[in-house]
Amino acid sequence: EAGVTQSPTHLIKTRGQQATLRCSPISGHTSVYWYQQALGLGLQFLLWYDEGEERNRGNFPPRFSGRQFPNYSSELNVNALELEDSALYLCASSRRGWGTGELFFGEGSRLTVL
Amino acid sequence: SQQGEEDPQALSIQEGENATMNCSYKTSINNLQWYRQNSGRGLVHLILIRSNEREKHSGRLRVTLDTSKKSSSLLITASRAADTASYFCATDAAGAGSYQLTFGKGTKLSVIP
Repeated sequence: EAGVTQSPTHLIKTRGQQATLRCSPISGHTSVYWYQQALGLGLQFLLWYDEGEERNRGNFPPRFSGRQFPNYSSELNVNALELEDSALYLCASSRRGWGTGELFFGEGSRLTVL
Repeated sequence: SQQGEEDPQALSIQEGENATMNCSYKTSINNLQWYRQNSGRGLVHLILIRSNEREKHSGRLRVTLDTSKKSSSLLITASRAADTASYFCATDAAGAGSYQLTFGKGTKLSVIP
């Protein structure tokens, strides 16, 4: 069974540009979660999608947005990039609704903003 | 804000020794999980302990939970060089009504061969 896959692995952008990150969940999982892991700050919750709807978002500005497609894959968009957006962006999936327990993580997309 | 805080931030031990990491949190929880992250890669789920459980084992891992003290510990016995990684606790707030699994900043464990 394929795990959670994320692309691209690495992405380099300059300030003001837009970045798009993609995530494919494990087959049968309908919930997708996005986390930001900046150096020294641990994992910060960004967004939760389930059944195509945004269910919850963390304390991030509106320039962080995303969507979930009918096949449950997801896209994270970061507009007007700032230097502090440089981080590892992790996607995770679970069966419908997080309350079932563990999350399955992808290997992450490392975004560098110059 | 971080719900879970791990302690210590970094731990260095010799192979074969036991490693203990602690996690403290602030609000009532439904359950607490521990994850492992190898250098800059994805997280791997290790173990989940529910709020009505006090201890749980999985292989060389032992997790305890003390809800009165709002704390948990992860013990890795007979450590190996391959256990070198960062370890995170994660909690979900009870009655939150909506998902938010909150991670601490992690404990960086180095096991010296």
